[in-house]
Parts: sequence; C-alpha cells; structure tokens
Amino acid sequence: AQSVSQHNHHVILSEAASLELGCNYSYGGTVNLFWYVQYPGQHLQLLLKYFSGDPLVKGIKGFEAEFIKSKFSFNLRKPSVQWSDTAEYFCAVKREYGNKLVFGAGTILRVKS
Amino acid sequence: DTAVSQTPKYLVTQMGNDKSIKCEQNLGHDTMYWYKQDSKKFLKIMFSYNNKELIINETVPNRFSPKSPDKAHLNLHINSLELGDSAVYFCASSRWTSGNTIYFGEGSWLTVV
Repeated sequence: AQSVSQHNHHVILSEAASLELGCNYSYGGTVNLFWYVQYPGQHLQLLLKYFSGDPLVKGIKGFEAEFIKSKFSFNLRKPSVQWSDTAEYFCAVKREYGNKLVFGAGTILRVKS
Repeated sequence: DTAVSQTPKYLVTQMGNDKSIKCEQNLGHDTMYWYKQDSKKFLKIMFSYNNKELIINETVPNRFSPKSPDKAHLNLHINSLELGDSAVYFCASSRWTSGNTIYFGEGSWLTVV
C-alpha cells in the first residue's frame, strides 16, 4: 500500500526565511505527486503537481518542488516566505493510473512577521 | 463560480441523528470522492464514485452511505451520528484518466454533540 510521510509536523519561520518541507512516499511504480495547502479555516487548494517531465515543478505563490525518483521524495521549497504563507501543507501521492489520493499527515507552517 | 460545492458548510447536531451532506461539481468530471479530515488534520479517503459506480470504499462504518444520483453529484448520508464522526468532510472530483488532478470542495464542518 502507498504511504506518504512528511518529516516535520510544525515549522516556524521568520519572514524572508527559506522554506523546505520534506515529503517521502513509498510506492515502486509510477506516481503522480501533489502539494496542497490549507489556509486557516479554508479548503484544500492545489499548490503544484508533478506528473512527468522536468522534475522541478513550479506552482502558485512562488512555491516549487523537486521530484527525486531515487529518493522517493517530493520536497516543497520557497526561497522567501511571507506571513501570508502561514497554513498547513499536505503532500499527496497517487498511482499514475489510479484515483486514490493518499495524503501525508501535513506540516503546519507558521511564519512570524 | 465554485467548481466543487458542498452544503452545508457547518453542521452541529446531536448524537443519534441522521444527517446528509451534499456535493455538486460543475467541472464535467466523471469521478467524485469523499475525504474525511479528523481532529488531527489527517486526511483520508472514504469513498470514490466513477460514473455513479462505487469504486473505492475504504474501511468506513456502515452508518456512512454515499449516493450518486448522477456524475455531477455525490451526497454523503450518515446515520446514528456518533461523537467520533465530528470532522471536516471534503468532497472532491476529477477526471478518470491518468495524470488527473483532484479538486476539492470547501469542506463541511460536522460537529456532533
């Protein structure tokens, strides 16, 4: 069965600091990878996704993620965070031809102004 | 225009009651889902329907019964509500193809008292 692990449950950063959130998955086949963000009291929004091609994908709001197949990782990065990035971030994985999206436990990011 | 819409957004009800949450999508997708986000913010799939046919049914109590009258709607009915059913329920939809993105609704906050 697929599983997704996010390394940090809580991250606190000051504005302008760089961000990297770790995500590893366990599945040997071809996968589709996603990062979703959930702002306080709001629904899940898609930040970025990887299906194939360039392993470095860029998403909304200056976020990017790199797929490293050999490490089964899909880490999320942002060079300079803002207070408005305070939210919970979820990594999710599904099989290429599947429809069951498996989520990590989420990482709560708090950005201090 | 909301792509995936759920009603009600907030629901407070007593133990033992029966309640329904409705979901509609206007994206032309043929696959819809229900996800549950528990108090620890962990997201897990409950059900998935493709063209009105149940295709994913995770280990969910029989008190939960999804119904899909057509491809654009997937409702969730819960019988004999228990305290542990308190959670946020997210509806989602996608196309039934590889490389598909799953889009989420705004969530329904259910509180059982």
